[in-house]
Amino acid sequence: VTLLEQNPRWRLVPRGQAVNLRCILKNSQYPWMSWYQQDLQKQLQWLFTLRSPGDKEVKSLPGADYLATRVTDTELRLQVANMSQGRTLYCTCSAGGGADTGQLYFGEGSKLTVL
Amino acid sequence: GDKVKQSPSALSLQEGTNSALRCNFSIAATTVQWFLQNPRGSLMNLFYLVPGTKENGRLKSAFDSKESYSTLHIRDAQLEDSGTYFCAAFDTNAYKVIFGKGTHLHVLP
Repeated sequence: VTLLEQNPRWRLVPRGQAVNLRCILKNSQYPWMSWYQQDLQKQLQWLFTLRSPGDKEVKSLPGADYLATRVTDTELRLQVANMSQGRTLYCTCSAGGGADTGQLYFGEGSKLTVL
Repeated sequence: GDKVKQSPSALSLQEGTNSALRCNFSIAATTVQWFLQNPRGSLMNLFYLVPGTKENGRLKSAFDSKESYSTLHIRDAQLEDSGTYFCAAFDTNAYKVIFGKGTHLHVLP
């Protein structure tokens, strides 16, 4: 059973251009939604956890700038700008609400390649 | 240094043999998760552990929070077990999940 739907799955991004990613939650039992990046060396890194509609956060990492938005209870978005190195962005969901964020379930990922 | 250190970084196994992967933590980890990433990039959650052990088929995992490590045992390795195994620990001080660099496993026929 698919818990998360990410799109686009792949995108070629001209240098200097921003790209918008979307993640849709299919099961409301796992309302804590997060973004993770995986770099070209396969290192996975937490970016954001956004729990409530209207939550927004920004972050700059080596090779990209990010703006994450929790649009609704079921939709999470990520804008990736100033990307200089390719990467894959994964959306996750979990039950949350306890001492930690809970068991993580990953979407299929959005693979970004810089042109 | 790495807060979550996985070993080995790569491993080749003959089909039908057993192996153990390890994760050492230098953070206050309260829970541990193990994932398998297949060659297409899909990440599957294998285990979510509080201190203790869990078993699922040919896989068994243990988490010792006092000694700050976790292990993943693979019994009777199959070709479909090939991929990259990641462990991840929840850092209570930072309130986030931190991943190791992964163990690339290749099961040989």
